[in-house]
Amino acid sequence: SQKIEQNSEALNIQEGKTATLTCNYTNYSPAYLQWYRQDPGRGPVFLLLIRENEKEKRKERLKVTFDTTLKQSLFHITASQPADSATYLCALVPYYGGSQGNLIFGKGTKLSVKP
Amino acid sequence: NAGVTQTPKFQVLKTGQSMTLQCAQDMNHNSMYWYRQDPGMGLRLIYYSASEGTTDKGEVPNGYNVSRLNKREFSLRLESAAPSQTSVYFCASKAIGGFSANEQFFGPGTRLTVL
Repeated sequence: SQKIEQNSEALNIQEGKTATLTCNYTNYSPAYLQWYRQDPGRGPVFLLLIRENEKEKRKERLKVTFDTTLKQSLFHITASQPADSATYLCALVPYYGGSQGNLIFGKGTKLSVKP
Repeated sequence: NAGVTQTPKFQVLKTGQSMTLQCAQDMNHNSMYWYRQDPGMGLRLIYYSASEGTTDKGEVPNGYNVSRLNKREFSLRLESAAPSQTSVYFCASKAIGGFSANEQFFGPGTRLTVL
């Protein structure tokens, strides 16, 4: 079956450390993968996109890697701050018969950064 | 720009009642989406509209209907609400082409409880 898994429901880290969140997928041929941030009671907000032929993308303190051999994306927040506390969603757009499908979301990882 | 707006923010229905969730976007986006988000399930696509005049089923369309009223507006209707439809509903939109072509913009959500 096709699955997108974020392997931690929750991640607790100390302020200043690097948070690393994992997204694994099975039985999809990905066109690209996105990461979103969701705060309680709010809609998701787009953070980063990485394409199948890209290894790494950066945006300020955020870094995403994509390994299509391992079928895995890693999302890093360096020098984490309490304001980074939120749920982070991984979402994948698969190829279906040469066309791109719709976004498929993982269940999310709730990150808590303690001062 | 208001982005994506949804009404109402909260709603309580009795089993069997009907209602329409409204969504509008002011970004001139072509594609619009309706998702539901349940604890432990992640975001699941109900229906989408790739462009004005078209609608298609997503992963969980049963019990719902949609109308793409014009380019700005995309409504979701529950004809006969059931307790299983208790959820948080998000509307999203996406441009086709351009710098943000692959990013989805989400509304604030509608929290629906069916008793």
